[in-house]
Amino acid sequence: EPEVTQTPSHQVTQMGQEVILRCVPISNHLYFYWYRQILGQKVEFLVSFYNNEISEKSEIFDDQFSVERPDGSNFTLKIRSTKLEDSAMYFCASGQESTDTQYFGPGTRLTVL
Amino acid sequence: QKEVEQNSGPLSVPEGAIASLNCTYSDRVSQSFFWYRQYSGKSPELIMSIYSNGDKEDGRFTAQLNKASQYVSLLIRDSQPSDSATYLCAVNRNTGFQKLVFGTGTRLLVSP
Repeated sequence: EPEVTQTPSHQVTQMGQEVILRCVPISNHLYFYWYRQILGQKVEFLVSFYNNEISEKSEIFDDQFSVERPDGSNFTLKIRSTKLEDSAMYFCASGQESTDTQYFGPGTRLTVL
Repeated sequence: QKEVEQNSGPLSVPEGAIASLNCTYSDRVSQSFFWYRQYSGKSPELIMSIYSNGDKEDGRFTAQLNKASQYVSLLIRDSQPSDSATYLCAVNRNTGFQKLVFGTGTRLLVSP
């Protein structure tokens, strides 16, 4: 069964450094998403991406964040200058339709020191 | 008012019992509703989706939706210890807004 994959599973970085989190969505899906979950808190929407552009973003997704689909399979989230409060699990998700079920990847645990 | 509300629990049920998980949402234009299961340290895993008023059954799981009351629930029959997890309710507005809005989740504990 196809699944969303994410790398790395765990990323440790120093405050102020740039990180890139990588995702491979399910191959026939057209809609891509990033969510994050701070430890002990709820899953929060960051951004949705369709047709090579951002379709919606949350207040969390400020200028420090960017997304890209550099080729036909990968979908990346870049945090330009990490802050301590960026420490969280980051989940990539994909779906066939905008209103359809979103399937989540296993997540990347980001730790900012 | 929170967009999606769930009782954080824990909800404790004995093995074999029915677990009932509830969720209310504030946005009346919401059209798609999802239940995800999340084990500690893992990602959300889809259990059920429901789009129309009424009941939808899938194996041991039944989702119930009442749009007039802005209420969605999940029943788990014959609960097993392996069902012990946090159950997340998520809502999508279906009006060009593609984001899922999640509740904080209800922690379910099924004791043998």
